[in-house]
Amino acid sequence: EPEVTQTPSHQVTQMGQEVILRCVPISNHLYFYWYRQILGQKVEFLVSFYNNEISEKSEIFDDQFSVERPDGSNFTLKIRSTKLEDSAMYFCASSESPKQYFGPGTRLTVT
Amino acid sequence: KQEVTQIPAALSVPEGENLVLNCSFTDSAIYNLQWFRQDPGKGLTSLLLIQSSQREQTSGRLNASLDKSSGRSTLYIAASQPGDSATYLCAVVWGGYQKVTFGTGTKLQVIP
Repeated sequence: EPEVTQTPSHQVTQMGQEVILRCVPISNHLYFYWYRQILGQKVEFLVSFYNNEISEKSEIFDDQFSVERPDGSNFTLKIRSTKLEDSAMYFCASSESPKQYFGPGTRLTVT
Repeated sequence: KQEVTQIPAALSVPEGENLVLNCSFTDSAIYNLQWFRQDPGKGLTSLLLIQSSQREQTSGRLNASLDKSSGRSTLYIAASQPGDSATYLCAVVWGGYQKVTFGTGTKLQVIP
């Protein structure tokens, strides 16, 4: 069965640095999403993306965050200047129907 | 505000017991509801998805039910095993291709 993949599995960065988290959605999917889960907390929606533009974003998704589909296969989440509180697991998801398929996540640690 | 709540936050049962996990949601006009399993430090494994027009879904020892009118869903696990130990997340979509709203989860421990 096709899967959503994410790289890297674990990223360690220093506060203030830029990070790019990468996702390869399932190939025929048109809707893409990012979620995050701070340790011990619930999974939270960040942003959805369709037709090369953001369709919905949460209040968490401020100017520090951006998403891009740079080519036909990748979907990226960029955090411009990381803060300690950005440390979390970041999940990418994609869908062609309302069911969303989640990737394994990238654990981001900001020191 | 559309919210998803799961009670209890943690549950410990002896192996072999049947158990029920509960999920409640504030707006009954859901599009679908999905149950996930999450192992410590790991990703999300989809267990069952129930469309708004359905009442239940079954997969092996798992059965999920949906009662939109009361804003509730249950996940029934039959003959629990130690390998079922994980956190179980309920997640709701209220509109088509929109965001998934997750509950806080129930952490299940099955004791051998």
